[in-house]
This record gives sequence, C-alpha cells and structure tokens, in this order.
Amino acid sequence: QVQLQESGPGLVKPSETLSLTCTVSGGSVSSGSYYWSWIRQPPGKGLEWIGYIYYSGSTNYNPSLKSRVTISVDTSKNQFSLKLSSVTAPDTAVYYCARDNSGYGYWGQGTLVTVSS
Amino acid sequence: DIQMTQSPSSLSASVGDRVTITCRASQSISSYLNWYQQKPGKAPKLLIYAASSLQSGVPSRFSGSGSGTDFTLTISSLQPEDFATYYCQQSYSTPDTFGPGTKVDIK
Repeated sequence: QVQLQESGPGLVKPSETLSLTCTVSGGSVSSGSYYWSWIRQPPGKGLEWIGYIYYSGSTNYNPSLKSRVTISVDTSKNQFSLKLSSVTAPDTAVYYCARDNSGYGYWGQGTLVTVSS
Repeated sequence: DIQMTQSPSSLSASVGDRVTITCRASQSISSYLNWYQQKPGKAPKLLIYAASSLQSGVPSRFSGSGSGTDFTLTISSLQPEDFATYYCQQSYSTPDTFGPGTKVDIK
C-alpha cells in the first residue's frame, strides 16, 4: 500500500521560501508511469494544482505559480520536494502531496503552512 | 486554463436520498474527469476516474457519467458517511483544475 507523508515548517515569513518534502513508502518515486504532484488548499477554499514531477524527472508547473515553484526528486531517499519562493499571505494553505495515475489515488494527510511574520 | 464549474454549490439531503451533482468544463475534456470526496480535515479521496470508472474500494452507490463538457456524479442512496464536499477535476490538459466543490449536508 502506497503511503505519502508531507513534512516541513508550518510557519514561513513573507518573502521567504516555503520548502516541503513528501516521503513515499510502499512504492518507488522512480518507477512506474506516475506523476508525483503537489496540490494546495487555502483554509475554507478549493483545491489548486501546483505541479508535478514525472517518474522520468520531467516537471510541469501551474503557470500561475511557475516563476516561483521548483519540484525535485531524491530517489535515494524516495522523496520529492516542493520549493515556493517569495511567499505572501495568499500562499497560506494546506499543502498536499499526491500520486497521479488516472486520478489522484494516493494523498498525504496534508500539512498547513502559514505565511506570517 | 480549463475552467470547471459545479452545481449546486451546496445541497441538503436525507439518508437514503438519490443525489446528483453536475460538473461542467469550459471546453471539451473527453472523459478526462475525476471525482473526489473530502471530509473536514482530511485529504480528498478519489471516487471516480475517467468520468465513469469506480475507484477500487469505493461503494457501488457512487457512479459517474458524461463526456465532453458535461458530467454527473450520482449517489444512489445517501449514507451517513457520505456527508462531505465533492470536487470534480479535469486531467485533459495542464494545469489540472478542480471545480469549486459541492457540499452535501444533512437535511
């Protein structure tokens, strides 16, 4: 059974970089035709796709965030990561990592990141 | 970006009711449409993929239909554990986009 777990700081100051890691167990980030994705949800609002890294290492980002987002993978640790630079208050959200293969069938439990000084 | 809309935005229903939620895409997305259920404080759960395929482990009272721009999620007999928010999502082209959600609560 594939499991995903987000980790990282819960509080980030404005203008700084948000950094989160997703640790995958029960499967490998470097095998299979899977898209390893990040999705966020501001408190009380809907879901926004941030981007993905494909098992081959290629990436695709939401154009609305593209200039600030980097998704990378560490196959030795079976993890993938999100960096979002120059954060502001609207970046406050629950951040989820998820695996996509005909729908997002596996999700982490989510981690709340608050942007505040 | 492909815009997704859902109707209604909320509904009240009773246990045993048949519930239908509609999702519309701003352009044709073939059958690249997925449905999720989200309960408070939890991650979304995939219910239906490719418009009408039931995800493994999901009760058969959930069904999906549609293609092109118009889709529906139907719950044939609402159960107490089905009170939640439901989202549609298109995977036809990036950026993936989600509908605004439909909240189903107890009448």
